[in-house]
Amino acid sequence: GAVVSQHPSRVICKSGTSVKIECRSLDFQATTMFWYRQFPKQSLMLMATSNEGSKATYEQGVEKDKFLINHASLTLSTLTVTSAHPEDSSFYICSALTGANYGYTFGSGTRLTVV
Amino acid sequence: SQQGEEDPQALSIQEGENATMNCSYKTSINNLQWYRQNSGRGLVHLILIRSNEREKHSGRLRVTLDTSKKSSSLLITASRAADTASYFCATDALTGGFKTIFGAGTRLFVKA
Repeated sequence: GAVVSQHPSRVICKSGTSVKIECRSLDFQATTMFWYRQFPKQSLMLMATSNEGSKATYEQGVEKDKFLINHASLTLSTLTVTSAHPEDSSFYICSALTGANYGYTFGSGTRLTVV
Repeated sequence: SQQGEEDPQALSIQEGENATMNCSYKTSINNLQWYRQNSGRGLVHLILIRSNEREKHSGRLRVTLDTSKKSSSLLITASRAADTASYFCATDALTGGFKTIFGAGTRLFVKA
């Protein structure tokens, strides 16, 4: 079946630094990918929709300059958390649509801790 | 903004019992999906039901959809300890581009 690979699974960084998270579709092309953020014991909040070859569409309240999204190829989307602060610590998950009957395939998530 | 809301928020049952989780949503949808998430992990797609479907089965899972009430239910029969996880419903609504909105989730705990 379709697989979305997300790396890294865990990252700890210092305040003020930037962190890049990668999301790859391994056996299919994903023209659109989605980035979510999840706080402990809460649901997934859609941050942005990543479109191959064009600018990402950000949800209301999400700072596009802080969460940089690049979707340069049909199999790779990246999320860069710039100038990270402790409040950016969260679980970030990407997903891609894998077909009309199969919903979305999710990456395994990235646990970001900013110290 | 979040659209789907699940209830109950948490459910604890004995192994072998059935577990029913409900989801309500607010706007018209193209389809509704159920996902499972083990603690700290990614989501696993369980079932997708289209807006013109009323019921769908997959193994021990049964999903119903009532578009007039804007609600769906997920039934897990003969539950197992391994079913312990959080379950989310998600809806696809066309709002200038498809995007999936997740409900708050139901945390299911199956006791062996």
